[in-house]
Amino acid sequence: SYELTQPPSVSVSPGQTARITCSGDALPKQYAYWYQQKPGQAPVLVIYKDSERPSGIPERFSGSSSGTTVTLTISGVQAEDEADYYCQSADSSGTYASWVFGGGTKLTVL
Amino acid sequence: EVQLLESGGGLVQPGGSLRLSCAASGFTFSSYAMSWVRQAPGKGLEWVSAISGSGGSTYYADSVKGRFTISRDNSKNTLYLQMNSLRAEDTAVYYCAKIPLLIVVVPAVYFDYWGQGTLVTVSS
Repeated sequence: SYELTQPPSVSVSPGQTARITCSGDALPKQYAYWYQQKPGQAPVLVIYKDSERPSGIPERFSGSSSGTTVTLTISGVQAEDEADYYCQSADSSGTYASWVFGGGTKLTVL
Repeated sequence: EVQLLESGGGLVQPGGSLRLSCAASGFTFSSYAMSWVRQAPGKGLEWVSAISGSGGSTYYADSVKGRFTISRDNSKNTLYLQMNSLRAEDTAVYYCAKIPLLIVVVPAVYFDYWGQGTLVTVSS
């Protein structure tokens, strides 16, 4: 089955730039989406269609795509950005449509 | 304001059944596809099922196909997930999520609003 691969953890100091990657063979042909999830809360969409930012999401969140890897970049990281981040995309490899999430990356703000 | 409120979770024995509901408000429910996504304790997100705005098209993850059924009642602005033959590995928080499309277009499916989730525990 199709998989999206994320690093388990990323650590940065406040004010620095955090980059979280997500790799998948179909990413050159499929959009990627990113969600932020804080403990005990529901996920929140932070990036859609690789690099679009929903209204209400701070400008420090951005997304990019290159080949089989997409990247969520958080510039000027703040303490409130500490959370789990998940990428998501479509799995078009099988007979039926389905959607997959990466395993998640825990962002720690030092 | 979009609101999604799940209910129906609880403790059920292996092999048992449960029906989850998701009451939607703040948007034209029938104009959007909907989905269920689950998260096992301490684990990541797993897509479970999706349904088009009309209810005419449904989609399932292989892990639940043949056991779970997604449906909707647009007159009641409510999404459902009927879960049968439950297994221990189905234990999770189940989230209802809105898809910003009427018709499910595979590359463009994502989840722009989420409910707070309802916990399903399958254990004897």
